Amino acid sequence: SQKIEQNSEALNIQEGKTATLTCNYTNYSPAYLQWYRQDPGRGPVFLLLIRENEKEKRKERLKVTFDTTLKQSLFHITASQPADSATYLCALGSGNTGKLIFGQGTTLQVKP
Amino acid sequence: EPEVTQTPSHQVTQMGQEVILRCVPISNHLYFYWYRQILGQKVEFLVSFYNNEISEKSEIFDDQFSVERPDGSNFTLKIRSTKLEDSAMYFCASQIHTGELFFGEGSRLTVL
Repeated sequence: SQKIEQNSEALNIQEGKTATLTCNYTNYSPAYLQWYRQDPGRGPVFLLLIRENEKEKRKERLKVTFDTTLKQSLFHITASQPADSATYLCALGSGNTGKLIFGQGTTLQVKP
Repeated sequence: EPEVTQTPSHQVTQMGQEVILRCVPISNHLYFYWYRQILGQKVEFLVSFYNNEISEKSEIFDDQFSVERPDGSNFTLKIRSTKLEDSAMYFCASQIHTGELFFGEGSRLTVL
């Protein structure tokens, strides 16, 4: 069955450092991959989308890579800030449907 | 900035009761979704809705669930006879076309 794995352990880093979050998947060939941020008790907020034919996407301090051979995406936040502390969700989608399959998320804690 | 709004924010109900969760998607969006998140677990797809009909549904979305877009603005999820395991946060999302989903802040359903 389709499986998405994100680091279940929380990631703790110092302010100013780069946070790198990993998303691995199996038994799936997504057309695109998305990253969302979720704060406690709130809905997911879209951050970035990367398509299967793209290797890398950037948006301000965010960068995502997508390796369809390794079946892995890396999500980077450079110059991290305490306000970046949240849970980050990886989600896979295919074709023209908006149905997304989510990973369980990785919680990031940025310490001042 | 346009947003997806959901009501109620929290509903407590007795097992076996009917519940209706309401959503107002972003006005020019064409695709509508319900997802749910059981506490501490992944965000899970329930159903997608396009052109006034269900386009896809998950195994979770059984006969106890239904969706409706009764007018040009509201999008509702009905659970006919709630079970304890229906307790979760229910998120509505909308989409203009393929790409990012805009999620609401969720409706927390507690079934006693």
